[in-house]
Amino acid sequence: KAGVTQTPRYLIKTRGQQVTLSCSPISGHRSVSWYQQTPGQGLQFLFEYFSETQRNKGNFPGRFSGRQFSNSRSEMNVSTLELGDSALYLCASSLGDREVLYEQYFGPGTRLTVT
Amino acid sequence: QKEVEQDPGPLSVPEGAIVSLNCTYSNSAFQYFMWYRQYSRKGPELLMYTYSSGNKEDGRFTAQVDKSSKYISLFIRDSQPSDSATYLCGGTSYGKLTFGQGTILTVHP
Repeated sequence: KAGVTQTPRYLIKTRGQQVTLSCSPISGHRSVSWYQQTPGQGLQFLFEYFSETQRNKGNFPGRFSGRQFSNSRSEMNVSTLELGDSALYLCASSLGDREVLYEQYFGPGTRLTVT
Repeated sequence: QKEVEQDPGPLSVPEGAIVSLNCTYSNSAFQYFMWYRQYSRKGPELLMYTYSSGNKEDGRFTAQVDKSSKYISLFIRDSQPSDSATYLCGGTSYGKLTFGQGTILTVHP
C-alpha cells in the first residue's frame, strides 16, 4: 500500500506571498492532519480534516487554512507568508474512525523556506 | 509549560547498549501515547502506541506508560547504528496529538 505523499517537497517563497501544499493520504484513510515542525518549537498540530470537514484545530493564526476533498486528499494554504513560517510541513493520515488520533502515518513533508 | 516534556539530548551510546528514552506530560486527558522515530530529512515513523497505563513490547522496543506519575518511556534493547534518529514521544486526547521536542539518539559501532 502506498504511503502518504506530499507535494512539492521543497518550496522557496518571499514574504507576503501565499503558498499551497498538497497531501494524498494512504488509500482508505479518511482523516488528514497537518503539522508544522521547526527546530525551536518542535512538531506542532495545525488542524485535522475528516470527511471534508475540519474536525480539530491547533493554535495557529487564521493565515493557516486547509481543506479536504471528497477523495480525502487535502491541501494546506498559508497566506501573507512571514519569515517565521519557514518550517517542515508534515501531513499525516489515519483511518479516522475514531476522533482520537492514535495511529497516524506521516508523509515526507514539504520544506518551506520564506525569504 | 509544555504539555509534553522531552530531553532533547543528544544521547550517544555504543552498539548493543540498552537505551532509555523518557518523557513527562501534564495533560490528564491523554488517552493514547505513542513513540515516533524520525530519520534526518524524513517524516516521523510510528514505532508503537499504547492505550492508558502499561507496557507494550515490539521486538527490541518496549513502551511503558505510568499515568499516575505522567511518565512515558521507550526502551531499546541491543541498540544498532540504524537506530540513530530522533525519537518523538506524544500523547493524544480527542482531536489533538501533542509531541515532545524529540530526543536525538546516536548509536556508534
